Formats: sequence, structure tokens, C-alpha cells
Amino acid sequence: AQSVTQLGSHVSVSEGALVLLRCNYSSSVPPYLFWYVQYPNQGLQLLLKYTTGATLVKGINGFEAEFKKSETSFHLTKPSAHMSDAAEYFCAVGPRSARQLTFGSGTQLTVLP
Amino acid sequence: GAVVSQHPSWVICKSGTSVKIECRSLDFQATTMFWYRQFPKQSLMLMATSNEGSKATYEQGVEKDKFLINHASLTLSTLTVTSAHPEDSSFYICSAWEREGSFLYNEQFFGPGTRLTVL
Repeated sequence: AQSVTQLGSHVSVSEGALVLLRCNYSSSVPPYLFWYVQYPNQGLQLLLKYTTGATLVKGINGFEAEFKKSETSFHLTKPSAHMSDAAEYFCAVGPRSARQLTFGSGTQLTVLP
Repeated sequence: GAVVSQHPSWVICKSGTSVKIECRSLDFQATTMFWYRQFPKQSLMLMATSNEGSKATYEQGVEKDKFLINHASLTLSTLTVTSAHPEDSSFYICSAWEREGSFLYNEQFFGPGTRLTVL
């Protein structure tokens, strides 16, 4: 069984500030972890993923995440927020593959001018 | 990269009619396709998993007679909402997955979604 908890359903940051979106997971087997972004009325776009290997994963648009097994976390960060980053972000976990994904409840990111 | 399309992108129908939504993998063969439902301001809820050439597996609480899924080829899956009612109004998203061992198997590829409104 697997589950994902995203702390904070809404996060607001100022333009240029650090973005930190939190994700904790539970998995009985080594997890595959994903971050997706969703803009209004659109599907999901993959930001980054962790499968195996290096625990610091870099993605598109300047985002990165670090897999911390001891903390069962996969937090998403970006050093400097841009207005275009305003969107809904979903963390997801899969048991050793991407075939069975469990999604978190999502975090709405607002970027203030 | 791998692209998944959905058609239509939005549809409005009258209560009691049926609506078909298509999901296509454009440049790869999807052995498995997934159908999700998303209510406003909520996460994705998996409705069913379909494997090419076999019957779909529905999640608990999803009516298989209401949400008919067909995965007749490796590039096409369809979701038919039968006798639609206003409570079926939602955003439906499909995704596609290649087989274990392929170079695409580390990711699900999502379609752009279909907005269904039932009047």
C-alpha cells in the first residue's frame, strides 16, 4: 500500500522568493516519486521524477526535489519563483514503477507580485 | 517525447444521453491506459485501468455499467459515460503507460483532459 501527503493545500510566495512544496510518502516497497504541475483546465505535466540513483533530481523550469528515504519525503523546491509558476502541484508515488500512481491532494501555488 | 491526446476537450450534453471520450497515444504503444476523474479543486481519482485487449479493472465505487471503457488497440482507449446525469459532470483525464522494460515505462503520460458538463 502507498500514500502521499502534501502539507499545505495553498502556498503563497512573492515573486523571486524560494518555493518549497512539501510531500511525504508511505510505501512498502522502494518508491518511484513524481511531481506534476497542472494549469487550469489542462492535464498534468511532469516536472521531475525519482526512480533510482541520485537522490537530488532536477526537473524542468528550474525545479528540483530531493528524495530523503529516512524522512520519507520528496519536497519540491525552486530558488526563485516566477509568476508563471502559479499552478496546482501534485506529488505522486508508485511502487517501483509508474504503473500504479497514488496522488497527493495537491498544493495550489500563488505567486504574489 | 511521448504524447497523449484526448478528444473532445470539452463536451456539453443533455441528461440521459451518452458521451464517448477518446484517448490516444500518438507516438508510442500504450499497453495500459488509465482513466481519472477530477472534481474542482481536488486531486485525481483513478476510475479504472485498462489493458489492451482485455476488460478494464474498475476501482471500488466506480460503476462499470455507467463508465464503459474499451481499449481495443495499443493506441486507443475510449470512455463512454452512459445515461449521463449532472453529477457526472467533471474533468476526465486519461494517461498511458508503456510496458515494463520499455524505455518509456518510468512515466505515465497524461492527456490534456476532457471537461464534461451534463445539463
